[in-house]
Amino acid sequence: AQSVTQLGSHVSVSEGALVLLRCNYSSSVPPYLFWYVQYPNQGLQLLLKYTTGATLVKGINGFEAEFKKSETSFHLTKPSAHMSDAAEYFCAGLNQAGTALIFGKGTTLSVSS
Amino acid sequence: GAGVSQSPSNKVTEKGKDVELRCDPISGHTALYWYRQSLGQGLEFLIYFQGNSAPDKSGLPSDRFSAERTGGSVSTLTIQRTQQEDSAVYLCASSPGPGPQHFGDGTRLSIL
Repeated sequence: AQSVTQLGSHVSVSEGALVLLRCNYSSSVPPYLFWYVQYPNQGLQLLLKYTTGATLVKGINGFEAEFKKSETSFHLTKPSAHMSDAAEYFCAGLNQAGTALIFGKGTTLSVSS
Repeated sequence: GAGVSQSPSNKVTEKGKDVELRCDPISGHTALYWYRQSLGQGLEFLIYFQGNSAPDKSGLPSDRFSAERTGGSVSTLTIQRTQQEDSAVYLCASSPGPGPQHFGDGTRLSIL
């Protein structure tokens, strides 16, 4: 079955610390992967995407992610957390039919000063 | 430019009533999607429209749910005989084709 798994429903970091949010996908998910961020009472905003080409993709707000086929992973990182990064983050993959996104359960990122 | 617009932003209704949720996609986007976001189930796909093709309804949870897209633009999601388990945030997204989807802010539906 196609699935996307986010490890850790809640991650807490200090301001300035490294952010690492983990995402693994099932091998039946096509290699079209996305990270979205959701702020309270808002929709989802695309952070970055991987479709083809370079496996290290850079997104908005200083985030980047690396596609590792051998590990079926697409972890999201940011070198230095800001208070404004506190939000819920969703990893998603495209289903085989190309008609919908399959989402992970989400990871809430908290940033403390 | 304008993003995906959804209305209403909040809807409270009594169990058993019908509700209609509206989505106005980004102009020129041929693909339109509906998702449901709830605490217990996370983000679930409901339905997908692409141009004039038959929609992919595989995610609709029951026959009380239906959706249409008129003129290849605005879409309406209808829930008949609402139940308490229908309480959720309903998100609409659009895209110019395969690839990243652009989401609206959602409609928060509460069933009393």
